[in-house]
Amino acid sequence: DQQVKQNSPSLSVQEGRISILNCDYTNSMFDYFLWYKKYPAEGPTFLISISSIKDKNEDGRFTVFLNKSAKHLSLHIVPSQPGDSAVYFCAAALLRPGGNEKLTFGTGTRLTIIP
Amino acid sequence: GAVVSQHPSWVICKSGTSVKIECRSLDFQATTMFWYRQFPKQSLMLMATSNEGSKATYEQGVEKDKFLINHASLTLSTLTVTSAHPEDSSFYICSARGRGDKNIQYFGAGTRLSVL
Repeated sequence: DQQVKQNSPSLSVQEGRISILNCDYTNSMFDYFLWYKKYPAEGPTFLISISSIKDKNEDGRFTVFLNKSAKHLSLHIVPSQPGDSAVYFCAAALLRPGGNEKLTFGTGTRLTIIP
Repeated sequence: GAVVSQHPSWVICKSGTSVKIECRSLDFQATTMFWYRQFPKQSLMLMATSNEGSKATYEQGVEKDKFLINHASLTLSTLTVTSAHPEDSSFYICSARGRGDKNIQYFGAGTRLSVL
């Protein structure tokens, strides 16, 4: 079962505008959520995270919003820049008794910023 | 900072042979390392978690005798796919987390395994 879903495989946004990437999840027990960005031939790089007890976290041009009742989170990038063109992965984390976490990933959204 | 190197990036092997994939944290001490697998059009799936000096913990459905994980030092973990078969062909990717990293995992670039 796909516990984390990114329903938009791709998204194109004009440079300077806002990019909004969406993610839905099914397990209300997730402890925190992360967004990763991936360029071709590179590993995913961490962008921003949010605890399940928060509804917003902001870091520069990146803001993540969490709507627990809807089991939905979104990543806002504003203003969008050409270097933001990449694949974005949403991940949900479950903390385990031993102290380690299990990340469950979505399938990614390819963001293209149009100059 | 927080660079994870994975080697090789691509490997082709014959059915029945074993393949070793290395994952190194270059500029931090990785107290915990994770191994994931990704099939085409699917998301990354966690295979196992290893703490330095301890045995790995495998996810349900992952054969520990098939996928041997060693995390003998704070900078190196290895995944050995033993007696590989074509159904083991996949993309394998590791991640590492250091102390005080607030549960942020840093990923390698992955290894594409093709078993003929």
